[in-house]
Amino acid sequence: NAGVTQTPKFQVLKTGQSMTLQCAQDMNHNSMYWYRQDPGMGLRLIYYSASEGTTDKGEVPNGYNVSRLNKREFSLRLESAAPSQTSVYFCASSSGLQLGAFFGQGTRLTVV
Amino acid sequence: GESVGLHLPTLSVQEGDNSIINCAYSNSASDYFIWYKQESGKGPQFIIDIRSNMDKRQGQRVTVLLNKTVKHLSLQIAATQPGDSAVYFCAELGGTGGGNKLTFGTGTQLKVEL
Repeated sequence: NAGVTQTPKFQVLKTGQSMTLQCAQDMNHNSMYWYRQDPGMGLRLIYYSASEGTTDKGEVPNGYNVSRLNKREFSLRLESAAPSQTSVYFCASSSGLQLGAFFGQGTRLTVV
Repeated sequence: GESVGLHLPTLSVQEGDNSIINCAYSNSASDYFIWYKQESGKGPQFIIDIRSNMDKRQGQRVTVLLNKTVKHLSLQIAATQPGDSAVYFCAELGGTGGGNKLTFGTGTQLKVEL
């Protein structure tokens, strides 16, 4: 039982490049989330998916897109990376029965 | 907009003492609150939760108190240990149009001194 798995763990992009952050959970959870965490800051919600087939914007959605591919997978895409998107990105999932979300280990992204 | 924030950015306590970490929230419609612990280089880890129809919930060495009158949440850690050193976040779920949206506060750094 791996929980929430994120790939890659580290990534360096040049400004303007695109990439997709992958997230998968094996707990059969309905809800999945993408957050970013800047140094010394809390987690800010980018997008979330309450259930398979639905996605909604969070606090800071600009510059990002998401896809809830199936119940297990929720990907985050940066179409044209900017230095302001340098951050640690966390994926999380939760179920309606146990509302506390479980988090992945994070992806450290640097845009130069 | 609605927000969840913390009173103290850094809290230093002696090993064995009790720790109290505070959180103020502004969205009175939130119906569920969670405390998370984040160690350096790791993702947040669930500690304890509380529903808005409760005012106290206890776990192992931790207690969460909810005061809806003043929109205040606290996490009490009994007999604080060096392994408790981490950043602690409160988070709220639900609220106005929130549904399954989980929103975090800024965080408090807890430092345990030997």
